[in-house]
Order: sequence, then C-alpha cells, then structure tokens
Amino acid sequence: DIQMTQSPSSLSASVGDRVTITCRASQSINNYLNWYQQKPGKAPKLLIYAASSLQSGVPSRFSGSGSGTDFTLTISSLQPEDFAAYYCQQSYSTPRTFGQGTKLEIK
Amino acid sequence: QVQLQESGPGLVKPSETLSLTCTVSGDSISSYYWSCIRQPPGRGLEWIGYISYSGSTNYNPSLKSRVTMLVDTSKNQFSLKLSSVSAADTAVYFCARAIVRGWADYFDYWGQGTLVTVSS
Repeated sequence: DIQMTQSPSSLSASVGDRVTITCRASQSINNYLNWYQQKPGKAPKLLIYAASSLQSGVPSRFSGSGSGTDFTLTISSLQPEDFAAYYCQQSYSTPRTFGQGTKLEIK
Repeated sequence: QVQLQESGPGLVKPSETLSLTCTVSGDSISSYYWSCIRQPPGRGLEWIGYISYSGSTNYNPSLKSRVTMLVDTSKNQFSLKLSSVSAADTAVYFCARAIVRGWADYFDYWGQGTLVTVSS
C-alpha cells in the first residue's frame, strides 16, 4: 500500500493567515493526489483533484501543487469557515489511501 | 444536484454481516463509479471499494475477503455487505460518487454518512 503522510498533524492559525499543509507519498504517484476538507460531523468535501485542479465551486484561495511524492495544499487567506480537518488521498494505485489528516484550528 | 443517502442498521452484532444501501438522486447511477469509504470514530478515512454502473468491482485488499458491493440500476442504488464484523468495523460509513479519468479518480459527491456500531 502507498502510505500518505501529512504534516503537520495539527496547526493553529488566525483569520487572514496564509497556511500550507504538506502531503508526502511513500512512492511516486505522479499527480494522482486529491485534497478534501472535513468539518465535524460532516462528510468530506472535495477541494482539489489531480494535485492542482480546483473543484467547481471551491474558493480560489485554495490551491494545490506538487508531483511525484511531495504535495502541498495552500490557503492564501484563511477565512472563519476554513477551520476544519484536511485530508490528502492518492488515486495512483489500489487500495486508495488517505493521509492521517491535518486539523486546522483557530489561534 | 447529486445527492447520496446511506441507509441500514445502526447496530450489528459481532460475526454478523453489515449491510448498507446507498440511494442516488439527481443523476443516473448508470454513468459513474460508486464507492464506499469509512471512518472510525475520531480517526481517519479508509477506502473500502468501488463498483461501476456495470457491476465491475475493485476492493481494498485488506477487506476483500469480507466485502461485496452490488449495483441496482433499476432503483438507482448500490449496496455494501461486510461479513464477519468485529468491533474494529465500528465506523461512520460514507457513500461517494467517483469520477474516473484515465488513471486518476476522485470523490466529488458524498452522502452524509451513517454510524454503524458493532456490539452484542
């Protein structure tokens, strides 16, 4: 299985801050990397697919980059509704695997 | 707007079979792949498997011996059965639509999830 490792596991930030979350794959996955946001008690929501493509309806302050084994999700200016958990997920091979999550909290 | 709704028993006894039905509305099930994903309380996400509209499947090898997914196009539903459950299978179970483009795929619509507890 491909292991996905996110860092940090938790992060405190303020409204307006620029935030970057990193995801590293245990082997190359080309650009087959997706990002999801999950709020407590809710289903995950797709933000970014294929490493850098913004899902329809997602604000442009979210962006993704990377290829191979190293990827980043950047939120350019944090809004109150962005405080949530974030997960990366690879679609390069079976089984599809997710990172352990990054919890973004209000400072 | 595509919507997915999970349904099934919220409590299953150890060694029995967990059954979950996912009902799709707002689009035809016959054009996409469909997936089940679970999340133990307070933990991360685990992919269970895919089924296509034609019935072809792809399961997580760690669960493959216990998983069966089926599709019913006449009802716009797909289903999950997980046999021989234990407490480790206690989780919120999600249904999701998978967009498959070449080798890449992603989950763009999700159900709200349903908590299934395994306990006697």
